[in-house]
Amino acid sequence: AAGVIQSPRHLIKEKRETATLKCYPIPRHDTVYWYQQGPGQDPQFLISFYEKMQSDKGSIPDRFSAQQFSDYHSELNMSSLELGDSALYFCASSLGRQGSTNEKLFFGSGTQLSVL
Amino acid sequence: AQKITQTQPGMFVQEKEAVTLDCTYDTSDQSYGLFWYKQPSSGEMIFLIYQGSYDEQNATEGRYSLNFQKARKSANLVISASQLGDSAMYFCAMKGARGGNKLTFGTGTQLKVEL
Repeated sequence: AAGVIQSPRHLIKEKRETATLKCYPIPRHDTVYWYQQGPGQDPQFLISFYEKMQSDKGSIPDRFSAQQFSDYHSELNMSSLELGDSALYFCASSLGRQGSTNEKLFFGSGTQLSVL
Repeated sequence: AQKITQTQPGMFVQEKEAVTLDCTYDTSDQSYGLFWYKQPSSGEMIFLIYQGSYDEQNATEGRYSLNFQKARKSANLVISASQLGDSAMYFCAMKGARGGNKLTFGTGTQLKVEL
């Protein structure tokens, strides 16, 4: 079965550089979520999109932006990278159905971002 | 707002024994879902089991079961017949009907299965 695809798997950047992470959700899933997981931390919600519109926003820095495209894939753009941005970035997808509490999130393998 | 508390940073269990990982939650939503995910050292996040707030029976998925005590707001994960491959970080998470569709995670429990 198709899973959530994230690219790249690993990314190394210098401070103040930019990075773009890509996410391809499971086919027919209409909601995409981005999470940030620092070393030894639990995943923190950044932002989500439902049917290509932003549906929820968490602790996403102003330096970050994201969007969902017409083919439902999503990109997380990160600018002016800081050392503290080093983390594992997960994308997840689900069937949206706003207010539904039983749709589980399927996670990609994550992008490990290292900022030097 | 939703909050998940996992009070066991680390747990050890002998192979073939059962282990319970604790999870308590707090929410003002009447309708909510509780989830457990496994994160091996390789980093991926694997869905294990789901419990709905209106489900009267405890959820089970193979060797995983969820001990749901609604009045106590607890949703403990029970792993039976532990295997070496169960060694991983385990996260309890929830989503509420009014909290959008996002999951809120606890801080996780690192489980180590020993011979």
